[in-house]
Amino acid sequence: ETGVTQSPTHLIKTRGQQVTLRCSSQSGHNTVSWYQQALGQGPQFIFQYYREEENGRGNFPPRFSGLQFPNYSSELNVNALELDDSALYLCASSYGPASGYTFGSGTRLTVV
Amino acid sequence: AQSVTQLDSQVPVFEEAPVELRCNYSSSVSVYLFWYVQYPNQGLQLLLKYLSGSTLVKGINGFEAEFNKSQTSFHLRKPSVHISDTAEYFCAVSFTSGTYKYIFGTGTRLKVLA
Repeated sequence: ETGVTQSPTHLIKTRGQQVTLRCSSQSGHNTVSWYQQALGQGPQFIFQYYREEENGRGNFPPRFSGLQFPNYSSELNVNALELDDSALYLCASSYGPASGYTFGSGTRLTVV
Repeated sequence: AQSVTQLDSQVPVFEEAPVELRCNYSSSVSVYLFWYVQYPNQGLQLLLKYLSGSTLVKGINGFEAEFNKSQTSFHLRKPSVHISDTAEYFCAVSFTSGTYKYIFGTGTRLKVLA
């Protein structure tokens, strides 16, 4: 098992810019979810993709968007960055609800 | 709506002492229950999960948890902690089908003292 890998590990952006975060799912996993974890908080669900289609979304504005590719890797895009977008972004993959999610180590995004 | 409450934000405990981290949840439908551990500057690692069946679930690193349906609780326990157990612990619930997103608690910081 290769696990879930995310890139980059750290990123600094300026308010108003756009950012793309990348995630490579664990082999055999067809579902990927993204979470935002602010400092000192639990992770918050952004959205989930299953076989390249978004099939669930949390309480995040449309400037948060994503993609899942045929190899089940994924991207998270955030437009018009705001200071409050500073957080750890976690990608997680799974092959079904009973299996649980495998999480990556995250991308630490700082917006200045 | 689902929700998860971790009543203790911080739990200090001496090395080799037992520990219990509390988790209560609220849901109108059946859920799966999970405990994850997060070490500094890392992602989340699955400790254990409850899907159905036996209410006592054993996980990695000597942790176990007990599902109590009547009290809607899923407390995490370890009989003897080590310094290396110092970390943030998150309880989570998910739907059993469809968009099985996690609802996380706010976390409990376990600090093991020498």
